[in-house]
Amino acid sequence: AQSVTQPDIHITVSEGASLELRCNYSYGATPYLFWYVQSPGQGLQLLLKYFSGDTLVQGIKGFEAEFKRSQSSFNLRKPSVHWSDAAEYFCAVANPRSGTASKLTFGTGTRLQVTL
Amino acid sequence: SAVISQKPSRDICQRGTSLTIQCQVDSQVTMMFWYRQQPGQSLTLIATANQGSEATYESGFVIDKFPISRPNLTFSTLTVSNMSPEDSSIYLCSVDFGGRNTEAFFGQGTRLTVV
Repeated sequence: AQSVTQPDIHITVSEGASLELRCNYSYGATPYLFWYVQSPGQGLQLLLKYFSGDTLVQGIKGFEAEFKRSQSSFNLRKPSVHWSDAAEYFCAVANPRSGTASKLTFGTGTRLQVTL
Repeated sequence: SAVISQKPSRDICQRGTSLTIQCQVDSQVTMMFWYRQQPGQSLTLIATANQGSEATYESGFVIDKFPISRPNLTFSTLTVSNMSPEDSSIYLCSVDFGGRNTEAFFGQGTRLTVV
């Protein structure tokens, strides 16, 4: 069975600093990979996704992620964090053989706090 | 983009009662899913809502506790039956519009508190 690990439960960064959120997955092949963000009282919003091709993926709000097959990782990065980025971030995977990219296994999430 | 509406947005219920949550999409979708997010936890898939047939449940979830209906391509309900405080969670509906390389879209969620 597939699984997703987000090693960092809580991260605090200063506004303007760079950010990297870690995500590792366990799966027999390359899964579909996603990063979602959940702000307080809000639903989930997709930041970016990887299905195949270029391993560096650009998303919304200035986020990017890099798929590294050798490390089974899909880390999320942002060069300069804004106070509005404070939220919960979830890495998720889907099994390409399931016929849908929407049946997701989520990581435990990383709560990002931004200090001014 | 499509609108996914969940009702109610929140509720406080007495233990032993049941609550039905609705998910309505303003366009047809190929697949619908229900997730649970327990307090401070991640999201866990409860089941896939199949149109016109019984839902497909994930390990640890059963139909008697979480009956699901999907009468058409735009609507689904999840019932949380015989509730206990442990059922206090956010329940989220997600949909797949089909096509190649499409991702899941989520409703705003239903925050349930059982007292």
